[in-house]
Amino acid sequence: AQSVSQHNHHVILSEAASLELGCNYSYGGTVNLFWYVQYPGQHLQLLLKYFSGDPLVKGIKGFEAEFIKSKFSFNLRKPSVQWSDTAEYFCAAHRERDYKLSFGAGTTVTVRA
Amino acid sequence: EAQVTQNPRYLITVTGKKLTVTCSQNMNHEYMSWYRQDPGLGLRQIYYSMNVEVTDKGDVPEGYKVSRKEKRNFPLILESPSPNQTSLYFCASSLGSYVSNQPQHFGDGTRLSIL
Repeated sequence: AQSVSQHNHHVILSEAASLELGCNYSYGGTVNLFWYVQYPGQHLQLLLKYFSGDPLVKGIKGFEAEFIKSKFSFNLRKPSVQWSDTAEYFCAAHRERDYKLSFGAGTTVTVRA
Repeated sequence: EAQVTQNPRYLITVTGKKLTVTCSQNMNHEYMSWYRQDPGLGLRQIYYSMNVEVTDKGDVPEGYKVSRKEKRNFPLILESPSPNQTSLYFCASSLGSYVSNQPQHFGDGTRLSIL
């Protein structure tokens, strides 16, 4: 069973629309959570991370994510997308002090100009 | 500049011909890892290394070997490649001997096609 699941395979929206990508993990205990972005033809880059503290995490390029422990979720949001946000987005998680990092299957986001 | 360097970036080869994909990082990171990326499956971990001479299997290790003789290098070896190993491969490194809250730094990827 996949440890990290992303709800949407492909999301298509227009510029200025709001974006929310779902991510759920199945680990118990303390987890560290990440969102990575992969622009076409490029390697993964970190958008934001959560390991403790304020459950609302702000990242680069106007993205934020909210950790809801009771729901085992770490959803990514952006209030107003731009054409340049077209990319694939990956959620990742690991248990604290674990050796393995598990990725979700990814969500392709296409923003229409 | 801090970076993870993979070589080659692209390779087309034939079934059974041994190949090695090199990975080198210049950040003195303990933890290094190899992933393959396939459509609809995301990134799946092949092998990881917590430090020199310490390696372990990830989720999809079959058909792959690794070694970690030096801290900066973590080559991925396909002894007898098969078409189902056609994929996009990423090497990554991070600070600490285990996956921590430090993010992984990824290489630019190696696209392998096994005919």
